Amino acid sequence: GENVEQHPSTLSVQEGDSAVIKCTYSDSASNYFPWYKQELGKGPQLIIDIRSNVGEKKDQRIAVTLNKTAKHFSLHITETQPEDSAVYFCAANQAGTALIFGKGTTLSVSS
Amino acid sequence: DAGVIQSPRHEVTEMGQEVTLRCKPISGHDYLFWYRQTMMRGLELLIYFNNNVPIDDSGMPEDRFSAKMPNASFSTLKIQPSEPRDSAVYFCASNGRGPSLKYNEQFFGPGTRLTVL
Repeated sequence: GENVEQHPSTLSVQEGDSAVIKCTYSDSASNYFPWYKQELGKGPQLIIDIRSNVGEKKDQRIAVTLNKTAKHFSLHITETQPEDSAVYFCAANQAGTALIFGKGTTLSVSS
Repeated sequence: DAGVIQSPRHEVTEMGQEVTLRCKPISGHDYLFWYRQTMMRGLELLIYFNNNVPIDDSGMPEDRFSAKMPNASFSTLKIQPSEPRDSAVYFCASNGRGPSLKYNEQFFGPGTRLTVL
C-alpha cells in the first residue's frame, strides 16, 4: 500500500521568510496530493491540492509542486506570517481510496 | 452546510468502559472515514465506508474497535472495552464528488478527544 514520508518534522522561520515542506510517496498509482493545515484543537483543513496531470499549482502565497517521476511533492509558503504557524500534513491517494497522510510538519513563524 | 459533525467533543472514561463516538457526514457525501491522531503515530486511518458499506478496516487496531454506518447520515465508532492506550483524538471525515464529478477534498470534523483513565 501507499506510504508517505514528510520532512522536516519541525520548521522554524522568521516572518517574511519562505517555508518549504517536502513529501515522498511510494505508490505510483496515486494521483491526488492534498495539503492540510491543522490548527490547535481543530480538524485538518485543506489548503491546496494537486492532481497528477499538473506539475505546479499556486494560490496566493502557497504553491505545490509535483514530480511524478521522482514521486515527490512539496509545499511552498512565501512571505510567511505568524498565522501560518500550524501543523501541515501532506497526503496521497487514488480517487475512491483513503488518504494516506505524512507524519506532519510543525511550522513556527516568529515575528 | 454545517460540515462534518462529531460528538462528543471530549470524552473522559475509565478503563474497561464502552465508548461510542458519533459522526454525521456532509449531506450528499458517499465516503466516510475514521482517523485516529496521536503524537507518536500521527493521523492513522482506522476504517472507511463507501455508500454505507465498509471498504477497508485494516487500520482498526483490534477487535475492541468496531464501526458502523447504518445510513448515509450517521456513523459510530465503538471501543469496548476501552484501554488507556486508546487515548487520542478521533476524527471523522467525509468526501463526495464535486461539480467536476471528481472526488475532491476530504472534509474533517472537529474531532473527539478521548481520554481513558
